[in-house]
Amino acid sequence: GAGVSQTPSNKVTEKGKYVELRCDPISGHTALYWYRQSLGQGPEFLIYFQGTGAADDSGLPNDRFFAVRPEGSVSTLKIQRTERGDSAVYLCASSLRGSSNYGYTFGSGTRLTVV
Amino acid sequence: GQQLNQSPQSMFIQEGEDVSMNCTSSSIFNTWLWYKQDPGEGPVLLIALYKAGELTSNGRLTAQFGITRKDSFLNISASIPSDVGIYFCAGPDYGGSQGNLIFGKGTKLSVKP
Repeated sequence: GAGVSQTPSNKVTEKGKYVELRCDPISGHTALYWYRQSLGQGPEFLIYFQGTGAADDSGLPNDRFFAVRPEGSVSTLKIQRTERGDSAVYLCASSLRGSSNYGYTFGSGTRLTVV
Repeated sequence: GQQLNQSPQSMFIQEGEDVSMNCTSSSIFNTWLWYKQDPGEGPVLLIALYKAGELTSNGRLTAQFGITRKDSFLNISASIPSDVGIYFCAGPDYGGSQGNLIFGKGTKLSVKP
């Protein structure tokens, strides 16, 4: 597609449930990034993929968070046993390679609300 | 760790006025990036700066990479209503990978027509 597509755009879930957030990057972009943006804050880095492998997962807050990119294109961010503090907008971005000029394109995000 | 501090936190200006905002850090950055985020959208890159002292323009926007490498400025001339949004500075976390950007908390710009 023309841009980075994220689905769903909104997700409401109950505390303790499992959720999956999907990111479809720009075709041909080998690098993919997940960020989390809480209300009134800037985006915070979660994980970076180069191809199928996670090049840097140092931003994942704990082991309830996991992300995969099995074929080097679509990525899924998975959150187990959700907590109210996980409520945020989850942003995905992609770029050609691991772009040294930081030419990322962000998607519109998934707004996750844990009630 | 590295942190970016943006000021002002918010601005209310009249259409046609010039705007100036800045971003500072206690540590050195070798790249400064300025993004704009509209409600319900992801951030969009406006300007990227790669060299200390660099001054770069993008239409009515001008950004500068501070000589100390610990600050950057963004100016918007002759503001228009579509300039409304949140402006973020960002830079790479050199403790992390190439994919890891640190963002400031943003400057929220409101423009009165």
